[in-house]
Amino acid sequence: QQQVKQSPQSLIVQKGGISIINCAYENTAFDYFPWYQQFPGKGPALLIAIRPDVSEKKEGRFTISFNKSAKQFSLHIMDSQPGDSATYFCAASSFTSGTYKYIFGTGTRLKVLA
Amino acid sequence: EAQVTQNPRYLITVTGKKLTVTCSQNMNHEYMSWYRQDPGLGLRQIYYSMNVEVTDKGDVPEGYKVSRKEKRNFPLILESPSPNQTSLYFCASSPRSPNYGYTFGSGTRLTVV
Repeated sequence: QQQVKQSPQSLIVQKGGISIINCAYENTAFDYFPWYQQFPGKGPALLIAIRPDVSEKKEGRFTISFNKSAKQFSLHIMDSQPGDSATYFCAASSFTSGTYKYIFGTGTRLKVLA
Repeated sequence: EAQVTQNPRYLITVTGKKLTVTCSQNMNHEYMSWYRQDPGLGLRQIYYSMNVEVTDKGDVPEGYKVSRKEKRNFPLILESPSPNQTSLYFCASSPRSPNYGYTFGSGTRLTVV
């Protein structure tokens, strides 16, 4: 119930296309859903995050769509660029009984072809 | 520059030889955490600390120790490393809770032979 299932494992997109990465969760106590971007040799960096009181959040070319009833959320990268080639991780967080749970998905390796 | 600094970046050691990976942040963050990253498994939390002298186990704490004697430092200690602890380790910090988003260090690649 604590897992966050991320798909696909890898993704190849043409420059200018839309990249879509999906995550699903079971624990309804999760109340914070961030996405992180990781380049080779670097630590993950927070990209965008959403809370369950909104269904969509957009920052530049990056959009999170959130479906509370389906317990799913996704990252959309519009006009994908070669510089977006990286590994993307979704995560979900909850705070219950005085303890934080912060669970990451298994990652999606995105390659954007020039 | 606001950052989380880990040392060393790379480490090769032998089974059973105690080691410490240091982590320091200069952002006055209260919350700090250690993760390990393994292929196909994503990032798994080892230990976290909500403030000085307050630490707790994450999902994979076996074989690791931590301490938080100062706000800025959160070292990870492997008392008797084993080959299954070969991994990429990340330290991360957050202002008050992880729900403000993490700032990650650059990682420590540990190999235990």
